[in-house]
Amino acid sequence: GAVVSQHPSWVICKSGTSVKIECRSLDFQATTMFWYRQFPKQSLMLMATSNEGSKATYEQGVEKDKFLINHASLTLSTLTVTSAHPEDSSFYICSARNEGLPEGNEQFFGPGTRLTVL
Amino acid sequence: GESVGLHLPTLSVQEGDNSIINCAYSNSASDYFIWYKQESGKGPQFIIDIRSNMDKRQGQRVTVLLNKTVKHLSLQIAATQPGDSAVYFCAEKYSSASKIIFGSGTRLSIRP
Repeated sequence: GAVVSQHPSWVICKSGTSVKIECRSLDFQATTMFWYRQFPKQSLMLMATSNEGSKATYEQGVEKDKFLINHASLTLSTLTVTSAHPEDSSFYICSARNEGLPEGNEQFFGPGTRLTVL
Repeated sequence: GESVGLHLPTLSVQEGDNSIINCAYSNSASDYFIWYKQESGKGPQFIIDIRSNMDKRQGQRVTVLLNKTVKHLSLQIAATQPGDSAVYFCAEKYSSASKIIFGSGTRLSIRP
């Protein structure tokens, strides 16, 4: 299994609103998913590790109350950007870990979600 | 702090030539090093990885070299093609944590 989808592929919202982004593993189960953020011409920055059935683990400097993560099933993790502001505009990418594969190439990335906050 | 970085932010290569993309890392505790390719507006795509106890691994048209003495990683692409145009990231992974940390990226452009 190697297919990870994200929805929506792009979203435009007004400042102050909340936006939910979905990450799904389509052909495998994933107890662990990861959320990244990528600004233009920059690298991917890991925001948090999403754990099925438990709280997410956030990287240093990432506000857990602003970026809410829910991993309620083995195939779905959601990232909600609360009270979005223009500086939250970015490319959000998730990855999912297929634990049935050998270590090394067991994480698969989604196509990303472009968020624009006006 | 821990980081994975690149020497060259951009690389222009003649079509058909070999490309070499370099990466420096600072954390000796990583178990795996991975190269990803990212095309514009898309997610990263796995190219090749190498365990920390190896110094070379070959794939189809790609070779990764790991020099732990100087903490250096490189990706060699043979006979570069227009479809190889993308941004390439090196990344490192710790087995215990599973998370992947990305380096700063190199844009590869192909001259016809």
